[in-house]
Amino acid sequence: DAMVIQNPRYQVTQFGKPVTLSCSQTLNHNVMYWYQQKSSQAPKLLFHYYDKDFNNEADTPDNFQSRRPNTSFCFLDIRSPGLGDAAMYLCATSRTVAGVVEKLFFGSGTQLSVL
Amino acid sequence: QKEVEQNSGPLSVPEGAIASLNCTYSDRGSQSFFWYRQYSGKSPELIMSIYSNGDKEDGRFTAQLNKASQYVSLLIRDSQPSDSATYLCAVRRSMDSNYQLIWGAGTKLIIKP
Repeated sequence: DAMVIQNPRYQVTQFGKPVTLSCSQTLNHNVMYWYQQKSSQAPKLLFHYYDKDFNNEADTPDNFQSRRPNTSFCFLDIRSPGLGDAAMYLCATSRTVAGVVEKLFFGSGTQLSVL
Repeated sequence: QKEVEQNSGPLSVPEGAIASLNCTYSDRGSQSFFWYRQYSGKSPELIMSIYSNGDKEDGRFTAQLNKASQYVSLLIRDSQPSDSATYLCAVRRSMDSNYQLIWGAGTKLIIKP
């Protein structure tokens, strides 16, 4: 089945130690997103790629970066994780049809813990 | 005022009854409206999308949109314990914000057996 796959499902890192989360998709969607979601809160968009064009949200900390080497893969890099970065990180994809973005498909998420 | 507002709940509904979830939004130019279901510790899953005024039915789920009053609702008929989850309302604003969904914080629904 076509899907959005995130690895790992759970990630534990140490305060200040760089960590990379990965996402792959078999849907061939041109838009990929990274969201951060903390408990009982709405998902917060960090950035998105429209094809290779990177779009950073204004309030996304510089500590967060992303790479999209090809259509299928997207990575979230947290350069120096702080305790406040512990959250669920959600990758999502969508496609555009006649310039209109269709619904989002989410991966299973990566739960990040910072010790 | 938040752009998308939902009552956080929890909303408790007896099994077999109708659960009614509501969402209001502030941007009159909003184009697309979505309901996602999220189980604890899991990612959001799309339940319904609606784009024009009126009702849209899919199985036990009905989405209702009223653009004049700026609200969208989700009805769940014959509620089952497996419907217990947090329901997130998401709105896509006008075309110049095409890629961004504005999310509500969600309503926690509990179906009591």
